[in-house]
Amino acid sequence: QKEVEQDPGPLSVPEGAIVSLNCTYSNSAFQYFMWYRQYSRKGPELLMYTYSSGNKEDGRFTAQVDKSSKYISLFIRDSQPSDSATYLCADSGASGGSYIPTFGRGTSLIVHP
Amino acid sequence: GAGVSQSPSNKVTEKGKDVELRCDPISGHTALYWYRQSLGQGLEFLIYFQGNSAPDKSGLPSDRFSAERTGGSVSTLTIQRTQQEDSAVYLCASSSPPGYEQYFGPGTRLTVT
Repeated sequence: QKEVEQDPGPLSVPEGAIVSLNCTYSNSAFQYFMWYRQYSRKGPELLMYTYSSGNKEDGRFTAQVDKSSKYISLFIRDSQPSDSATYLCADSGASGGSYIPTFGRGTSLIVHP
Repeated sequence: GAGVSQSPSNKVTEKGKDVELRCDPISGHTALYWYRQSLGQGLEFLIYFQGNSAPDKSGLPSDRFSAERTGGSVSTLTIQRTQQEDSAVYLCASSSPPGYEQYFGPGTRLTVT
């Protein structure tokens, strides 16, 4: 069973801190990596996606993939209380003809004023 | 543009009744996924549709669960003879092409009494 591992937290940080969220994955065939943010009682919202290795930046958010260590990271700069949510990582690609992503269980982030 | 929509947003039903949950994917998205999320749990994959291909039903927990997708667009998830353990949020997501980033709907919160 291919899995994505994620520390459930909660991770509590003060406003303005740099947050590092991390996942490890096992399916080396997957090339596509995604981060979602989920507020309580809402559906997951796509934050960022990356293909293969490298970094991708969007405003305060940076996604990083290290395929050699099978490590996915999301960095949030200048964190805000509105960033308080659960963050889900996922990997995706073709496996046996199906394209079914594997999701981590999510890390709960609390940013306190 | 319009995102993924789901209806109803909330459903309360008595044990033993059948329920139908609806998903309208993003227009033009060929891949459609159903997931289940129980309180405090991760996403549980249920079923995946891709174009006109036979769906991947490998995640359906029992034969009480079924789904169909008409005209390559709208999908309906049906749960027959509901049980209390079916209580969860049912999420639909779509993507195009398959295996790329998924966009989720707001979910249907199902409560079986």
